[in-house]
Amino acid sequence: DVKVTQSSRYLVKRTGEKVFLECVQDMDHENMFWYRQDPGLGLRLIYFSYDVKMKEKGDIPEGYSVSREKKERFSLILESASTNQTSMYLCASSEPSSGETQYFGPGTRLLVL
Amino acid sequence: QKEVEQNSGPLSVPEGAIASLNCTYSDRGSQSFFWYRQYSGKSPELIMSIYSNGDKEDGRFTAQLNKASQYVSLLIRDSQPSDSATYLCAVKNSWGKLQFGAGTQVVVTP
Repeated sequence: DVKVTQSSRYLVKRTGEKVFLECVQDMDHENMFWYRQDPGLGLRLIYFSYDVKMKEKGDIPEGYSVSREKKERFSLILESASTNQTSMYLCASSEPSSGETQYFGPGTRLLVL
Repeated sequence: QKEVEQNSGPLSVPEGAIASLNCTYSDRGSQSFFWYRQYSGKSPELIMSIYSNGDKEDGRFTAQLNKASQYVSLLIRDSQPSDSATYLCAVKNSWGKLQFGAGTQVVVTP
């Protein structure tokens, strides 16, 4: 059974703080993704990674960075949190050989005050 | 124009009836299509994938794909209250990127 876990379910941070969101998958998937989900806008891709130490910008990378030092772990960093980054953040992983089905973590609901 | 479009709903369906959800996409070269279900406060979970024109059935769910018309639909037969959720359409476009629609909320009423 694929399992994707995220470090926190809920986070409250202040404007300007540096925020780390961590995602771990236990299925040895090559691909990992970070999305944010906002009402009416659906899922928007922030960054993705196809391999360790590799990263690619998604549709909305501004204000975010990522790190993938190990295959199972993909971190999303908000360098200086702003109120417009209040959102639900979802991590996903997939394996190219299995049709690219993405498996999602439980999500982190971030509130930036 | 959004790459993947869905009616936001809510789509109200009586228990036992068929729920019909539609999704259109803009990239004619898209090859892979997915339906995810998302309960309130939860993360999306895959319920169907479809890659070729026609129908694909899995239990009470049927996905239909028409590449010429660039739409994909999901039918839920014998709708149950547990089917109340938001259904996300996802399309892997010709660039290999998975694009999500904003989702259709389905409410099954007893």
